[in-house]
Amino acid sequence: QQQVKQSPQSLIVQKGGIPIINCAYENTAFDYFPWYQQFPGKGPALLIAIRPDVSEKKEGRFTISFNKSAKQFSLHIMDSQPGDSATYFCAVGTSGSRLTFGEGTQLTVNP
Amino acid sequence: DGGITQSPKYLFRKEGQNVTLSCEQNLNHDAMYWYRQDPGQGLRLIYYSQIVNDFQKGDIAEGYSVSREKKESFPLTVTSAQKNPTAFYLCASRSGTGRFNTEAFFGQGTRLTVV
Repeated sequence: QQQVKQSPQSLIVQKGGIPIINCAYENTAFDYFPWYQQFPGKGPALLIAIRPDVSEKKEGRFTISFNKSAKQFSLHIMDSQPGDSATYFCAVGTSGSRLTFGEGTQLTVNP
Repeated sequence: DGGITQSPKYLFRKEGQNVTLSCEQNLNHDAMYWYRQDPGQGLRLIYYSQIVNDFQKGDIAEGYSVSREKKESFPLTVTSAQKNPTAFYLCASRSGTGRFNTEAFFGQGTRLTVV
């Protein structure tokens, strides 16, 4: 059973656009929802994370929106730049336990 | 510098050969993980360990083995039973205690190729 479903698989936007990546989960026991960014040939790095007691979190140009009742969360990238071109993964987990990752979204930001 | 070190960066395996991937962390994290990444796919969990001398199978453990004799080290052995081992392998660690200490830190990966 897939614990987290991520969409879209790929996304192309123009510089300055606002790409949105979505994830949906099933298990209401999850209490930790991070997004990771990965560049080719590198390990993923934490971008931003949210807990279910808030509906939105912003860090710089990156925003997570969280809808607990719908069991969905999304990543918005404001004023996207070519340097944001990377693969983005959502994940679900609980404190101290395993993290389960989505299948990833390959984002391309054209100049 | 604190972090996770994976070695080697590139590894070539012959058919029927066992190989071991190294993962060392100096973050004093309790939990360590091994993920496999195939082109265009997400990260699939192979094994994880939340404490020394204990580990659990993830979603795709067949053909792999691990040990956790020291807190800092979590080596992964890809055995000859793993029929399709060519992939990018990622090691991660995570603090196992504290409500907010849940960020997972990743190494730079080992690319394993069967020749």
